[in-house]
Amino acid sequence: QSALTQPPSASGSPGQSVTISCTGTSSDVGRFDYVSWYQQHPGKAPKLMVYEVNKRPSGVPDRFSGSKSGNTASLTVSGLQAEDEADYYCSSYAGGNNFYVAFGGGTKLTVL
Amino acid sequence: QVQLQESGPGLVKPSETLSLTCNVSGDRINNYYWTWVRQPPGKGLDWIGYISFSGSTNYKPSLRSRATISLDTSKNQISLRLNSVTAADTAVYYCARSAVGGIVFDHWGRGILVTVSS
Repeated sequence: QSALTQPPSASGSPGQSVTISCTGTSSDVGRFDYVSWYQQHPGKAPKLMVYEVNKRPSGVPDRFSGSKSGNTASLTVSGLQAEDEADYYCSSYAGGNNFYVAFGGGTKLTVL
Repeated sequence: QVQLQESGPGLVKPSETLSLTCNVSGDRINNYYWTWVRQPPGKGLDWIGYISFSGSTNYKPSLRSRATISLDTSKNQISLRLNSVTAADTAVYYCARSAVGGIVFDHWGRGILVTVSS
C-alpha cells in the first residue's frame, strides 16, 4: 500500500478559490468513494472537513467542497479566508484483501 | 460532545514497548470504531490501525507484527501497544473516533508526543 500524492504547497489570495489534488490508484481513490479531507493547524489535531468524496460534517462551511475523477480527488476552498491557512491531508480507503487507510503527504495552504 | 484524551509515557527506550491510552468521554466506546494515527515530527499522517466496537482489529501491514489495539469498556478507554520500538516510531500519536467503519475520523484527541531515545 502506498501513500496518496498531494502537491506540497498551494496558495491563494483572500476571496479566491484554490484546489488541492490527491492522486491515488485504481485500488484506492479510483475504486472507492471513501475519500476524506482533514485540515490541520500547527500544533493542533486534524479536523475532518470532507468525507465520502463530497460530504461535509455539520459545522464545516460550504466553502469547502470535494470531488473525484478517476484516480484523483480534489478539495476546493472557495472564498479563501486567513483562517484557512493550514495543512490539508487527504485519505482513502484502500481495502481489498487487507483493510487499509492511506493518507496523502499533505499540502500546505498559504493565504497570501 | 465526545472528547478524547491520549496519555502515556513521553519517552520510551529503543527495543521497549510503547503503551498509550485514549480516554473517551461524552460517548460510549462500544458504539463506534476507534483508530490510532501517528505523525512523525514535521511529516504527514500515518494510519496505524483500528478496533471495532465488537473488538475486531485491523492494522497497517508493516506494523501488524508489533501493534496491538484493545478496548476497556469498563473504563471507556482504548489502548495502543507497540513493541520493539525504534527511533522511527517517534511521533505524535492520535486516537480518533471512526464514524464510518474505521474509514472516516470525525473526532480526534489532542495527541501525545512519544520520543524513542535512550
